[in-house]
Amino acid sequence: DMKVTQMPRYLIKRMGENVLLECGQDMSHETMYWYRQDPGLGLQLIYISYDVDSNSEGDIPKGYRVSRKKREHFSLILDSAKTNQTSVYFCASSLGGGERLFFGHGTKLSVL
Amino acid sequence: GDSVTQKQGQVTLSEDDFLFINCTYSTTTYPTLLWYVQYLGQGPQLLLKVTTANNKGISRGFEATYDKGTTSFHLQKASVQESDSAVYFCALVATNAYKVIFGKGTHLHVLP
Repeated sequence: DMKVTQMPRYLIKRMGENVLLECGQDMSHETMYWYRQDPGLGLQLIYISYDVDSNSEGDIPKGYRVSRKKREHFSLILDSAKTNQTSVYFCASSLGGGERLFFGHGTKLSVL
Repeated sequence: GDSVTQKQGQVTLSEDDFLFINCTYSTTTYPTLLWYVQYLGQGPQLLLKVTTANNKGISRGFEATYDKGTTSFHLQKASVQESDSAVYFCALVATNAYKVIFGKGTHLHVLP
């Protein structure tokens, strides 16, 4: 079953707390992505991972870091979360390039 | 750099109406243009792909075409149904073939 799984689905944190968003895929896809979605702004790319320990900044990497130690798992870390990081975060994977991305259901993060 | 512009933020139609959503793009290479659909509470999923080879994509009653002269591509459907209510994103696979740039999305609301 081709699936991208994100945990948790909903998360509430206080400003200054650390946040860990996790993503897994069962398709052995090489490439994984983290996007955030905000009303009126669409999907903005935070990071791309081309494979294990091969990560590249996207368009809005500031305030985020990522970790990919296994091909099937890609984490997004917010060190000392800020209120403007309140958003819906989507993880995606693809077999190679960007012609078809498979998205998870998203994590809705609220930073109070 | 690569970019995509989607100006229609919201479209409200009645069932059996004609749908037309337009995007413009900018890139230095031959583009791969995509349309994604996002249903409520889910992640985006690929609806159509249009390449310079075929100029057109068709799926689930939707049709996408692109115009190299005006660097635009659009999504259309002859007769929308209430179940088509969703957010539609145009997207461009960037020059490096991995980065996917999304438009801001068009929220389609189809009235019964």
